Amino acid sequence: VVTQTPRSLSVTPGQSASISCKSSQSLLNSDGKTYLYWYLQKPGQPPQPLIYEVSNRFSGVPDRFSGSGSGTDFTLKISRVEAEDAGVYYCMQSILFPRAFGQGTRVEIK
Amino acid sequence: EMQLLEYGGSLVQPGGSLTLSCAASGFTFSSSSMNWVRQAPGKGLEWVSVVSYNSDTTHYADSVKGRFTISRDNSKNILYLQMKSLRAEDTALYYCVKDATGWGKFDLWGQGTVVTVSS
Repeated sequence: VVTQTPRSLSVTPGQSASISCKSSQSLLNSDGKTYLYWYLQKPGQPPQPLIYEVSNRFSGVPDRFSGSGSGTDFTLKISRVEAEDAGVYYCMQSILFPRAFGQGTRVEIK
Repeated sequence: EMQLLEYGGSLVQPGGSLTLSCAASGFTFSSSSMNWVRQAPGKGLEWVSVVSYNSDTTHYADSVKGRFTISRDNSKNILYLQMKSLRAEDTALYYCVKDATGWGKFDLWGQGTVVTVSS
């Protein structure tokens, strides 16, 4: 089970925002990698990849997005929030099957 | 340009069957694990199924196990999802998703195809 908090937040442009993702079990695999991902779904669009293996940005993702954490507790931080960052953010664990997404965090830009 | 195009979604009666397809282009399809992820109206994302690059391995969400079958045709670059015994709760937008590593690195998503289960 993967639990995200908060379920929603409202952020002023230029400010920072953080989203927490907690797993019911460790996502650290025997290969040394931790299988926790972040995806963003903007309104009316399919999800797009943000972060893989806790802290690595997918190609093209601005460095305003950063991921951290280990074991069972993880955080996505958005620095200097921009209007285009609005949407629903999902974490996902992939250390085992079935893959599991968090419930999502809706980010509104004031 | 890498692209995934889903099709086959429609309105179907409860208990009915439907097959979704996903046409891939712009990348080496035969080297990538492929997934289906769905999203019920107004709800979050739910992972549905995965097939390995060579079809050796498949996995399913508990909610669809025994009713859905994932498969692929690497000669045609097409991913399939056969759905049987459909229920109202299967109503969703179904996304075809490429996994870059086989470990959930979902680097390409299609636009989705809508399945509505209703009488």
